[in-house]
Amino acid sequence: GQQVMQIPQYQHVQEGEDFTTYCNSSTTLSNIQWYKQRPGGHPVFLIQLVKSGEVKKQKRLTFQFGEAKKNSSLHITATQTTDVGTYFCAGTVEYGNKLVFGAGTILRVKS
Amino acid sequence: DSGVTQTPKHLITATGQRVTLRCSPRSGDLSVYWYQQSLDQGLQFLIHYYNGEERAKGNILERFSAQQFPDLHSELNLSSLELGDSALYFCASSVDFYNEQFFGPGTRLTVL
Repeated sequence: GQQVMQIPQYQHVQEGEDFTTYCNSSTTLSNIQWYKQRPGGHPVFLIQLVKSGEVKKQKRLTFQFGEAKKNSSLHITATQTTDVGTYFCAGTVEYGNKLVFGAGTILRVKS
Repeated sequence: DSGVTQTPKHLITATGQRVTLRCSPRSGDLSVYWYQQSLDQGLQFLIHYYNGEERAKGNILERFSAQQFPDLHSELNLSSLELGDSALYFCASSVDFYNEQFFGPGTRLTVL
């Protein structure tokens, strides 16, 4: 079945350092979504990318969708303690009918 | 607050029992999704309903079943519970198939 691989599994950074998580699919995706789950909370939608090569920014967060629509990344510039949580990517295979979540990247920020 | 409600918040039960988890989607959302999140695990998609009809199935066990009612709320039934079924169960809703999903607060199920 469709799999969405996400790396790294875990990252611990010093406050102010940058952070990146990567998402890869073996098949072409029609779209990719990113979610954030704070410790003890529920996933919250961050953004959706649809177009090949698309780049979107939300303040310190930059999201990219690869040219082949098989990979994506989330980059956080100058992390803050409020960035802690698990970041999930989720993709839908072209002509598919379900959103498949990656395993998530747990981000911890040391102040 | 996402607008998605789930009850109960916590559920503790014994092996072999049956439980029902309930979800009310955001007003106007026709799609309801169920996910299972075990400790240190990602989100495992279980099932998707759209306007009362089953649309997609994930890794849902035969002991589990779900339905979406005419008022669009949904229930997830878990039977013959095993220790390994202990997890957080999230419900999410969306306007239709490919839009952003809004997650409820989850139901934490503990099977003893």
